[in-house]
Amino acid sequence: EAQVTQNPRYLITVTGKKLTVTCSQNMNHEYMSWYRQDPGLGLRQIYYSMNVEVTDKGDVPEGYKVSRKEKRNFPLILESPSPNQTSLYFCASSLIQGDEQFFGPGTRLTVL
Amino acid sequence: GESVGLHLPTLSVQEGDNSIINCAYSNSASDYFIWYKQESGKGPQFIIDIRSNMDKRQGQRVTVLLNKTVKHLSLQIAATQPGDSAVYFCAESYTGGFKTIFGAGTRLFVKA
Repeated sequence: EAQVTQNPRYLITVTGKKLTVTCSQNMNHEYMSWYRQDPGLGLRQIYYSMNVEVTDKGDVPEGYKVSRKEKRNFPLILESPSPNQTSLYFCASSLIQGDEQFFGPGTRLTVL
Repeated sequence: GESVGLHLPTLSVQEGDNSIINCAYSNSASDYFIWYKQESGKGPQFIIDIRSNMDKRQGQRVTVLLNKTVKHLSLQIAATQPGDSAVYFCAESYTGGFKTIFGAGTRLFVKA
């Protein structure tokens, strides 16, 4: 089944404790992206990747890092999480940039 | 600047009626538009798309209309059903660009 998977689905952590949210797609898509979704603000792009080893900042990259060592994986790293990073996070992929995006199920992160 | 917005944050319709969800965009260079549906607890899912060389596209019970003159996009859902209750996002992108910009979303309530 073609899909985007994210782990964990739910995470409660404390300020400053490094964490990684994994994202994997099995559709051989070139383009992958991370979004955060906050009430009233819709989906805001954090980082995106056009292909392996090619990543760039989206609209709200502060406090986040990503890597794209393999085509299928695009982990989101929070080196020192803060409470303002409490949000719902979505990973998405598409065959190419601008095409229909397939979204993962979301990761709800709470930073205390 | 670039933005994608919605006129109505919430829409309530009677089951069986038609629904119309509107979206305004500001980037005249955008040439690809997508509507996504997000059900509670899930990631957004593709509904229908349209390219700028078209002004109308129909799917199963859904129609997207594009008016480039006034930079307006709409999603029409025929014979709205309880299963259509969700948040609907419009999104825009343009050929050669690196980002997809999402609107804030409209919540559709379907009354039985």
